[in-house]
Amino acid sequence: GESVGLHLPTLSVQEGDNSIINCAYSNSASDYFIWYKQESGKGPQFIIDIRSNMDKRQGQRVTVLLNKTVKHLSLQIAATQPGDSAVYFCAENSNYQLIWGAGTKLIIKP
Amino acid sequence: DTEVTQTPKHLVMGMTNKKSLKCEQHMGHRAMYWYKQKAKKPPELMFVYSYEKLSINESVPSRFSPECPNSSLLNLHLHALQPEDSALYLCASTRDGQINEKLFFGSGTQLSVL
Repeated sequence: GESVGLHLPTLSVQEGDNSIINCAYSNSASDYFIWYKQESGKGPQFIIDIRSNMDKRQGQRVTVLLNKTVKHLSLQIAATQPGDSAVYFCAENSNYQLIWGAGTKLIIKP
Repeated sequence: DTEVTQTPKHLVMGMTNKKSLKCEQHMGHRAMYWYKQKAKKPPELMFVYSYEKLSINESVPSRFSPECPNSSLLNLHLHALQPEDSALYLCASTRDGQINEKLFFGSGTQLSVL
């Protein structure tokens, strides 16, 4: 079946630098994408979402970019902080099912 | 902090036990969900209740039995589980159960089946 995948399972970033987490999707008909953050011992927490009629959406310190040409989604975190340490999941609405990516673990180096 | 509350946080049970997981939300959401999450994996959908009616059962074995007493409460009854059922069980809710709505998750129940 179709799935959402991630390029890197683990990403190490220096504190204060920007982080970019990537996600590839396979269903060109998907019309909604969402990012969740899951800290250790907690459930996933909504970060930001984007609809397919947009290329970019910004939140507080986070930006999601959608490139429909190459079916690529990315989450950018500005000025990464220790509290950003977590696993980040992308997910897509594919045929009215929410398909989750495998997750990327973000590690912050002091 | 999450507005979805799950109890207990941890549970250890034998294969012959019967136990229940509980979930509560007071956001006025009309859809509630059970997910199962294995370590280092994304959550897997098990059940969806929409307006207190079971709307999705993702071919979950009958040893898992969901119950939605009212729009604020969701239970998962467990009976005769297997060791491979050990996982983090997450409850979530959305406002109306539409696919393009953000899920609000609880912190989960970490279940160990011995």
